[in-house]
Amino acid sequence: DTGVSQDPRHKITKRGQNVTFRCDPISEHNRLYWYRQTLGQGPEFLTYFQNEAQLEKSRLLSDRFSAERPKGSFSTLEIQRTEQGDSAMYLCASSLDTVAEKLFFGSGTQLSVL
Amino acid sequence: AQKVTQAQTEISVVEKEDVTLDCVYETRDTTYYLFWYKQPPSGELVFLIRRNSFDEQNEISGRYSWNFQKSTSSFNFTITASQVVDSAVYFCALRPIIQGAQKLVFGQGTRLTINP
Repeated sequence: DTGVSQDPRHKITKRGQNVTFRCDPISEHNRLYWYRQTLGQGPEFLTYFQNEAQLEKSRLLSDRFSAERPKGSFSTLEIQRTEQGDSAMYLCASSLDTVAEKLFFGSGTQLSVL
Repeated sequence: AQKVTQAQTEISVVEKEDVTLDCVYETRDTTYYLFWYKQPPSGELVFLIRRNSFDEQNEISGRYSWNFQKSTSSFNFTITASQVVDSAVYFCALRPIIQGAQKLVFGQGTRLTINP
């Protein structure tokens, strides 16, 4: 499978716990994006990377959220001290910078905070 | 600020009917991209089309066609002779053409159900 891979597919956690999600983009893609999608809504932009550099962050990304892409390949999104409002689908996407507008999305990680 | 509105929350039609999904957008940017994405039950969004704001030519791809009208800020999507496999949530999205701007602004989506 050469698509965007996200792990885990589902995560259930208790309020206050920390969680980390992983995204493996398509191998030759140098841009990587994180979006969040709540039920019945469209995805909302969180952040994006060009190689290992994090170039844009949404105001939605509070100080409890941190994203990394240490070697310009896979990325992790960590949420500290989770709240019930963090429950959502977290989507990762990647693209080539020469065709940056065509994003390839993964199937997402569904987070439920109890 | 940018905004994308998809007023139709859900549409249900019988197979082989034509169906149009509406998209209206707001932006102060003079140049921008418009997109349609499909989200099947498996969850991953699938890119369908990108249009530049300076190219108002309508586009047809098989059973799919898109009608871009800058005067009414609309970018509607029509599926001709719909099929059950077209059932999905469809999202319209907008992104300004500005150096470094990568944020896509999505509408709320339209859930399309094609009944056999």
